[in-house]
Amino acid sequence: AQSVTQPDIHITVSEGASLELRCNYSYGATPYLFWYVQSPGQGLQLLLKYFSGDTLVQGIKGFEAEFKRSQSSFNLRKPSVHWSDAAEYFCALNFGNEKLTFGTGTRLTIIP
Amino acid sequence: DVKVTQSSRYLVKRTGEKVFLECVQDMDHENMFWYRQDPGLGLRLIYFSYDVKMKEKGDIPEGYSVSREKKERFSLILESASTNQTSMYLCASSQNRVGGETQYFGPGTRLLVL
Repeated sequence: AQSVTQPDIHITVSEGASLELRCNYSYGATPYLFWYVQSPGQGLQLLLKYFSGDTLVQGIKGFEAEFKRSQSSFNLRKPSVHWSDAAEYFCALNFGNEKLTFGTGTRLTIIP
Repeated sequence: DVKVTQSSRYLVKRTGEKVFLECVQDMDHENMFWYRQDPGLGLRLIYFSYDVKMKEKGDIPEGYSVSREKKERFSLILESASTNQTSMYLCASSQNRVGGETQYFGPGTRLLVL
């Protein structure tokens, strides 16, 4: 069965430090891949998505993600986090239909 | 700008009450979705609809029903609310029935069932 794993439930990072959030998937082919962010009390907003082609994808708010087929991973990165990046981050996959399968999320805390 | 709105941000209901959650999108999207979000479980799909009056069960449809009488509106119904339905409910929409479509989310309704 298809699945998405976000192994880190909670990550704490100092403001200005770099960030990497992990996402691994299980599927027989290359899925469509997404990262969403949810600020406290809000709905989800798309950060970026990968379909095919260049494996390094740029998104909004200075985020990027790299697709690695050999590792079945799609990790999210940001070189320098800001206090406003504190939120919950969800990796999601689509397998060619209209539905998304979400990971369980990673909560990001930023310390001054 | 894309907009998905949900009728309530917070709701408090009693066990056994019938509960309606409403969602409206203004983008002429074909697909609409209802998820529930619980800590440590991520988002789980309850139902989705790919056209007016069409619906499909998601991963956790038990205890819920849906209605889509107009393209822009998708309602989630709890026929008899129970305490284990206390959760955050998120509505989303996407343009059409192909892979890779972005889903656009509403702000969520936090439901407490007492």
